[in-house]
Amino acid sequence: EAGVAQSPRYKIIEKRQSVAFWCNPISGHATLYWYQQILGQGPKLLIQFQNNGVVDDSQLPKDRFSAERLKGVDSTLKIQPAKLEDSAVYLCASSPWTGLGTGELFFGEGSRLTVL
Amino acid sequence: AQSVTQLDSQVPVFEEAPVELRCNYSSSVSVYLFWYVQYPNQGLQLLLKYLSGSTLVKGINGFEAEFNKSQTSFHLRKPSVHISDTAEYFCAVTGGTSYDKVIFGPGTSLSVIP
Repeated sequence: EAGVAQSPRYKIIEKRQSVAFWCNPISGHATLYWYQQILGQGPKLLIQFQNNGVVDDSQLPKDRFSAERLKGVDSTLKIQPAKLEDSAVYLCASSPWTGLGTGELFFGEGSRLTVL
Repeated sequence: AQSVTQLDSQVPVFEEAPVELRCNYSSSVSVYLFWYVQYPNQGLQLLLKYLSGSTLVKGINGFEAEFNKSQTSFHLRKPSVHISDTAEYFCAVTGGTSYDKVIFGPGTSLSVIP
């Protein structure tokens, strides 16, 4: 079974530029998450999708971050314009819809963003 | 709101020695608890989980954890560590529905010394 795919693995941009990250979850997984992991910290949830609907985006800085999951499969996270503090690893994760909320997440390898 | 505390940010331990990584959580509802491991430049992978039933759960790579409801703890243990266990370990909590957020702790960096 193929895992969660993310691209690009690494991206270096200057502040005020834009960047986009792509994620393809495990086939059949209805729930998709984007987490931000700043160096030395635990992952922080940015947005959670259930199929193509947003379940939680309370911690997404909506003035600069946007995310979409068209057709309920792959997803794109965009940052525009980027700030220095956006330097982090952006992790995508997916989980199957069980209706029981077991919470087990399957993670991709992450996209490391450096903002100069 | 749920939260997770991992009191030890770094834990150095000699190879073949036992180790315990501490995790405490706060929640007003029933919870599910998890330990994830992150090797350098990789995503997180599940070590073990507590959903219900026996409070002692066993995971991959010889790790185990014990759920203690009265102390709101879920400490991770391994009786004998290997060099390959060097990694970042994250404790996580979520509530009882699929819409509940999975909240991660700040992580503990385990360094195994040869």
